[in-house]
Parts: sequence; C-alpha cells; structure tokens
Amino acid sequence: ETGVTQTPRHLVMGMTNKKSLKCEQHLGHNAMYWYKQSAKKPLELMFVYNFKEQTENNSVPSRFSPECPNSSHLFLHLHTLQPEDSALYLCASSLTRGADYNEQFFGPGTRLTVL
Amino acid sequence: EDKVVQSPLSLVVHEGDTVTLNCSYEVTNFRSLLWYKQEKKAPTFLFMLTSSGIEKKSGRLSSILDKKELFSILNITATQTGDSAVYLCAEHSGAGSYQLTFGKGTKLSVIP
Repeated sequence: ETGVTQTPRHLVMGMTNKKSLKCEQHLGHNAMYWYKQSAKKPLELMFVYNFKEQTENNSVPSRFSPECPNSSHLFLHLHTLQPEDSALYLCASSLTRGADYNEQFFGPGTRLTVL
Repeated sequence: EDKVVQSPLSLVVHEGDTVTLNCSYEVTNFRSLLWYKQEKKAPTFLFMLTSSGIEKKSGRLSSILDKKELFSILNITATQTGDSAVYLCAEHSGAGSYQLTFGKGTKLSVIP
C-alpha cells in the first residue's frame, strides 16, 4: 500500500480501554493531520503537525493524545473514550515547506466504535 | 455558522445526466478551494482552485471558482454509477495556517 496508510482499519473498544491509531505517509510530506468524521457533520480537524511540531489543536478533549515521532508517522492515543467518540478517524498529509497551497492526501481511515 | 456550505446535501440522478454541485465559502484570508471525492473511506483529491474564472478539468469532471461571489461549482457530465460518492469541498484560508475547513458534502447517487 502506498500513499497514506492507517492501522487498524476497524477498532471496537470499551470506555476503559487504551488503544492507539497509527498513520504512516510515504509521500515525503512534512505535515500530518488527524480528522474526525461523524455522520452528517463536516470533517473536523483535530490536530496538525508540521515538521513534528504540533501547530494546531482544535479544542480536542485530552482523552485524545497525538504523537508525531517523525514527519512520516503519526499516532493518536485513545483512553477513556465515550460512545460519542465513535466515528471515522482520518489521517492526512501534505507538503507545506515551500508550498503556498495545502493539498492534503488522506488515508483510508480507522472506523472506531466505542461501546 | 458553517463557513463552507455545500448544496444540495444529496442528489439522485440517472446515468448520463449532468450534475452541478455547489460550494460557497467565507472570504477571510482565502488561499484556495479544494474538491474531494469520498467513496468508501479515504477522500481522494480532485481539484484545487486558486484563481477566478479558470476552469480545471479532468475527464468528465470540471470545476471553476468565482472569488467575487465566493463560490465554486463542480460539474460532472455523462454521469456513471461509479460517480456515486460524497463530494467534499474545503477551503484553505489564513496565512501560515494549514487548516482546511470542510463542508458537509453532497451525496451523489447515480442510478442506472
């Protein structure tokens, strides 16, 4: 698989579990993003990392904890989630260095269900 | 209030029809407008528009931006069942910001 990959593709977890979502990009990009997609809502940006530094955090609850060890990998650590956190979590990447525009490429997503 | 508004929210057409999807946006620090197609999971990039009046074309799909009236349209001619998807519009605005603001999408269903 090339481009942006995400694992796992499906995840079911209880409210007391701790799990992590993983994203990897093979495009040589320097910026990575986490989005949440819920039914009948626009894609919601959660976090942005540019050159491994977090540049945006859109008021995301602390039960979601991102980690970006390098420009190719992005994690989303989950703990004590709520049922309303069930959604499709999408990762994206883009090239921002020297670029005026922000064309983002998306991974296939992780379908998360919180019981 | 939504910053990016798409219409219609859903649309059902027959194969061979031509469809026009609409996207309106706010002007603050506008940099570009993007269209994506989302079939099952990953949104796939279609077009990025930065200048008014210049049509971008890819096969049966085309898109144009009107920066005066603050909207963009996505046209699909001779629709096929494979065009069935949610079409997302997103605005990139703000100097130094990497944030895309998405609309709710238009769900297009093409029936044989």
